[in-house]
Amino acid sequence: EVQVVESGGGLVQPGRSLRLSCVASGFIFGDYAMHWVRQVPGKGLEWVSGISWNSANIDYADSVKGRFTISRDNAKNSLYLQMNSLRPEDTALYYCGKDIKVQSNYYYGLAVWGQGTTVTVSS
Amino acid sequence: SSELTQDPAVSVALGQTVRITCQGDSLRTYYTSWYQQKPGQAPVLVIYGKDNRPSGIPDRFSGSRSGNTASLTITGAQAEDEADYYCNSRDTSANHLVFGGGTKLTVL
Repeated sequence: EVQVVESGGGLVQPGRSLRLSCVASGFIFGDYAMHWVRQVPGKGLEWVSGISWNSANIDYADSVKGRFTISRDNAKNSLYLQMNSLRPEDTALYYCGKDIKVQSNYYYGLAVWGQGTTVTVSS
Repeated sequence: SSELTQDPAVSVALGQTVRITCQGDSLRTYYTSWYQQKPGQAPVLVIYGKDNRPSGIPDRFSGSRSGNTASLTITGAQAEDEADYYCNSRDTSANHLVFGGGTKLTVL
């Protein structure tokens, strides 16, 4: 079964850091771009960051650029999101997802989504 | 950056056909992916590329594009199709993904 499972969410004070993890299984992780997408409860989806299959392309939404860092470890089938200088507006459910297209340096969409991990930024 | 615009809400009678639209300049260049999200669940990809359905998605779901508008059509809507639907495509100015604001579909 193709799946991704997120972890690492929690309650954190503004200005602090948090690291999210995503473990993939059921597909060749190193062949696909991966993404983080977030959703405030009751609101829409917001793409946060993406990393191409070979890490040649790493991209961020303007809202997180300079504060968040995406990375991957293909040997561990794992994706990460290091979130620094967190703000209350970063509070959301964070989804990890596998891109649609194989071995592409560009992004097409999310073929597989995890169930998400909740990040709450509050004092 | 690009923006994608969706109607906030659409309704359809059970068994009828409904079209959910997504507008944006990026759609003149890039194909749209469509996602279905039911309450308390993660989104599920239902259409990608020109008009491709992932395994397990019923063939009553189809996609099309004309100019700057992409459409998701559900032919013979079922009660279980009631959900939020989101479109997304690539941004024209950066290697980003952009999502539409979502359309809440009600099946009457």
